[in-house]
Amino acid sequence: DQQVKQNSPSLSVQEGRISILNCDYTNSMFDYFLWYKKYPAEGPTFLISISSIKDKNEDGRFTVFLNKSAKHLSLHIVPSQPGDSAVYFCAATESGGGYQKVTFGTGTKLQVIP
Amino acid sequence: KAGVTQTPRYLIKTRGQQVTLSCSPISGHRSVSWYQQTPGQGLQFLFEYFSETQRNKGNFPGRFSGRQFSNSRSEMNVSTLELGDSALYLCASSRDRNTGELFFGEGSRLTVL
Repeated sequence: DQQVKQNSPSLSVQEGRISILNCDYTNSMFDYFLWYKKYPAEGPTFLISISSIKDKNEDGRFTVFLNKSAKHLSLHIVPSQPGDSAVYFCAATESGGGYQKVTFGTGTKLQVIP
Repeated sequence: KAGVTQTPRYLIKTRGQQVTLSCSPISGHRSVSWYQQTPGQGLQFLFEYFSETQRNKGNFPGRFSGRQFSNSRSEMNVSTLELGDSALYLCASSRDRNTGELFFGEGSRLTVL
């Protein structure tokens, strides 16, 4: 039972353009959502997060949008840079587990073409 | 500030053996979580420890166990290894339990032959 789904295993974008990574979830108890980035041979690193009481959070080139009614969130990267090429994991958690039982999606591999 | 340290980085075992993986969290972090990463499955939550107590547990068989010491260092053990246990095992730490913002180590790559 995949509670967090990333239906696009890969995405290619030209440098300077917008990258949009999508994620869907099924568990209504999730109240905190995160994106992690992972380079080969490294552990995932936290990128940006959003609480369920918000619908948008912005940090520099990265913006996360949350649509609770659709149980959908997306990560926008503008402008995309070659260094953004990595695997991006969508993740969700809930206060009931102390926010520590984090459920991850299967990841989307982003390639930014120079 | 030192990051999360996992040892060993790589190991090869045979079916039926057991393995112990170690994780040293970032100084001051008291929560340690373990995840299994396999191709196509993403990161699967194993368990979380805080103040030496298991607080959360994922859907893994009893062959997977863990513990946390008073200095917050953690170990996980897998007994009676199966071929399907081949994976990257990631440890993550966090200072508190108010967010899901985790700091990951580089992982221990386990190969079961």
